[in-house]
Amino acid sequence: NAGVTQTPKFQVLKTGQSMTLQCAQDMNHNSMYWYRQDPGMGLRLIYYSASEGTTDKGEVPDGYNVSRLKKQNFLLGLESAAPSQTSVYFCASTLTGESGYTFGSGTRLTVV
Amino acid sequence: GQNIDQPTEMTATEGAIVQINCTYQTSGFNGLFWYQQHAGEAPTFLSYNVLDGLEEKGRFSSFLSRSKGYSYLLLKELQMKDSASYLCAVMDSNYQLIWGAGTKLIIKP
Repeated sequence: NAGVTQTPKFQVLKTGQSMTLQCAQDMNHNSMYWYRQDPGMGLRLIYYSASEGTTDKGEVPDGYNVSRLKKQNFLLGLESAAPSQTSVYFCASTLTGESGYTFGSGTRLTVV
Repeated sequence: GQNIDQPTEMTATEGAIVQINCTYQTSGFNGLFWYQQHAGEAPTFLSYNVLDGLEEKGRFSSFLSRSKGYSYLLLKELQMKDSASYLCAVMDSNYQLIWGAGTKLIIKP
């Protein structure tokens, strides 16, 4: 099925561990985004990429890194996980902003 | 600062009509989006308004007043499957989406 695919769906990390969240889209979208969603708060932008090879910080980038080596893939890295990074992470993509964002199914991350 | 306000929770009855309001203050405006998010799932696109007025799409309609910084989502003939959170988001002058915290809609039989 066409869309945005995120892996893994669930992950438990110990404080200090590192991991990479994967995101792939097959819609040839130019822009890709990483959000986190916490209870009672709106989606908050971590990083975004307007095109292959470019990335920019969003509202809450600290503790994360990203890479966009291929147009279809956008990776989110946690270098040293902290309990404050416990959240649901969504990847999204869009062709043009006005066309709306397509979201992946999310990754539920718990840091203990 | 940038701010999107919407009610935290609303309750409505199956078959009825409900209006979910959204007010915003952002640096620039390039459109307003409504998304639906069922519990444990990803947000899905409902509507996009960039000009003032009402946009109708089946049972769902969305209204925008740019001068008032105000939008609403109108859901008619409510069904149990409409129980979800409804997210309002504004695209600012940098073409970035600013998201509200969402309105949880509970539908009762």
